[in-house]
Amino acid sequence: GAGVSQSPSNKVTEKGKDVELRCDPISGHTALYWYRQRLGQGLEFLIYFQGNSAPDKSGLPSDRFSAERTGGSVSTLTIQRTQQEDSAVYLCASSPGGQQNTEAFFGQGTRLTVV
Amino acid sequence: AQSVTQLGSHVSVSEGALVLLRCNYSSSVPPYLFWYVQYPNQGLQLLLKYTSAATLVKGINGFEAEFKKSETSFHLTKPSAHMSDAAEYFCAVSPRGWGKLQFGAGTQVVVTP
Repeated sequence: GAGVSQSPSNKVTEKGKDVELRCDPISGHTALYWYRQRLGQGLEFLIYFQGNSAPDKSGLPSDRFSAERTGGSVSTLTIQRTQQEDSAVYLCASSPGGQQNTEAFFGQGTRLTVV
Repeated sequence: AQSVTQLGSHVSVSEGALVLLRCNYSSSVPPYLFWYVQYPNQGLQLLLKYTSAATLVKGINGFEAEFKKSETSFHLTKPSAHMSDAAEYFCAVSPRGWGKLQFGAGTQVVVTP
């Protein structure tokens, strides 16, 4: 597609349920990021994929959070046993990576509400 | 390791006045630097980027930023604020080549009539 696509755009879930958030990056982009943005807050780095290298998971807040990137393209962020503090907008971004790592392109985000 | 610091979480400017948003970075080598804007309930949009020898970078909507290596700064300016500039602005840094993009905490800009 022309841009980074995230789905769903909105998700309401009950506390304790698992959720999966999907990100389709721009075709050919080797780098992919997940960020979390709580209401009125800045961007919180979660995880970074770069090509076939091991992902940088240093931002994942707990072991309830995991992410994978299949075939170097689509990525899924999974949150297990959701808590109310997980409510936020989850943003995905991709960039060309490597020597062309000049900018990241963002999706519109998934707004997660845990009730 | 790289990091970026934005001075001031909230800035209020009058319509027509100068907009100045401050960003300082920490990096052992000159990095790539970016300013992104986030309008209410929208995703992030690139305003401008520094990736080459041109230290004064012009972006969209009349914004520009100057890379100053001696001050490790990349401040964002616009000569005359417009009501439509009300948004959150993020400074970001990445290494040249491989490496992740890191964001500052953001600066919320309010424009008053």
